[in-house]
Amino acid sequence: ETGVTQTPRHLVMGMTNKKSLKCEQHLGHNAMYWYKQSAKKPLELMFVYSLEERVENNSVPSRFSPECPNSSHLFLHLHTLQPEDSALYLCASSQDGGGPWQFFGPGTRLTVL
Amino acid sequence: AQSVAQPEDQVNVAEGNPLTVKCTYSVSGNPYLFWYVQYPNRGLQFLLKYITGDNLVKGSYGFEAEFNKSQTSFHLKKPSALVSDSALYFCAVRDMNRDDKIIFGKGTRLHILP
Repeated sequence: ETGVTQTPRHLVMGMTNKKSLKCEQHLGHNAMYWYKQSAKKPLELMFVYSLEERVENNSVPSRFSPECPNSSHLFLHLHTLQPEDSALYLCASSQDGGGPWQFFGPGTRLTVL
Repeated sequence: AQSVAQPEDQVNVAEGNPLTVKCTYSVSGNPYLFWYVQYPNRGLQFLLKYITGDNLVKGSYGFEAEFNKSQTSFHLKKPSALVSDSALYFCAVRDMNRDDKIIFGKGTRLHILP
């Protein structure tokens, strides 16, 4: 595998379910990001991890819980989501947390029923 | 506050014609500016960036962008459009006050007509 991979690619869940999104980067980067892309809205940065420490949390609801066990893996744990949380969730990575040259994964299309 | 605007939701261009996708920005200091492209069912791909130097930046797939400081613009251009250029294009600006934050525009859908 090369680049940034995300699993699953598609996820349908009920509001009472608990699920997790996984992201893995094979680029040797030390910073990872979660973004939310909703229809007709700007891309929203959710979480940033640099050297496995969370450095940014843009006031994301607590029903989204990130986990970064090492520099290659990033998870987004989901619980008691709302239908408005349905979106494409993109993972990205970069070197040194500098941000500009972020490499993105293909995304997970999440539908909350 | 830093911001970036893409005034067009959709741009339609005939194949072979030049294309322009507009982007304007607002930052407090010197901007780092970027263009990303998203093809259907794919993640974002980096196209090009401007940090310093020549105002005309060349990127992937024959795209280029012109940095215009007086107009605070960073429009994406290509001399001759291909049908395969049809995609969603995002302009982004790096927030110089917060090293890890990139602000994205809402995106412009480019539709190249055969």
